[in-house]
Amino acid sequence: EVQLLESGGGLVQPGGSLRLSCAASGFTFSSYAMSWVRQAPGKGLEWVSAINNGGGSTYYADSVNGRFTISRDNSKNTLYLQMNSLRAEDTAVYYCAKDRIAVAATFDYWGQGALVTVSS
Amino acid sequence: EIVLTQSPATLSLSPGERATLSCRASQSVSSFLAWYQQKLGQAPRLLIYDASNRATGIPARFSGSGSGTDFTLTISSLEPEDFAVYYCLQRSNWPWTFGQGTKVEIK
Repeated sequence: EVQLLESGGGLVQPGGSLRLSCAASGFTFSSYAMSWVRQAPGKGLEWVSAINNGGGSTYYADSVNGRFTISRDNSKNTLYLQMNSLRAEDTAVYYCAKDRIAVAATFDYWGQGALVTVSS
Repeated sequence: EIVLTQSPATLSLSPGERATLSCRASQSVSSFLAWYQQKLGQAPRLLIYDASNRATGIPARFSGSGSGTDFTLTISSLEPEDFAVYYCLQRSNWPWTFGQGTKVEIK
């Protein structure tokens, strides 16, 4: 059974940093691209970042480019999102999502989400 | 950035009725469009990819059509579990973008 388990969310002050992790199991993690998608309270979905299966190609939304860094450790079956210079508008539930094939925005499995709150 | 505009914002229908949801792109995305369903408090679920391909395990009452800038998600006969919010997502250009969502509610 495919499982994605996010961790690392919490309350952080504006300008602070946080690192989210997504532990994957039930599939060959190193074979699939992964993404982070977020959802602000009461709002719609926003794609944040993607990484290919090997980790050599990364992609970002304009709103986080230069502040967030996606990475993965295929030996640990874990996806990461390093978030720096956090702003109030980054407050959201952050989902990690497995791509069905390659880097294709066809997310067939999702985690349960990790809440990040940016507030003083 | 490609902007996806979904309409209507809310669709009020009864079980058994047909639902037609629209997603319009600000420029052509070819067929690189997916549809997701999200129920309250849950993660999204992939319904349709590449405009018209049903994802694994998705019932045949869900269908997608369109190409270029205009896309449609059709639910042929609404089941009680279909009342949810639906989002389109384009992967034609970076950054990938979602539409703002259409809520399908019980009339």
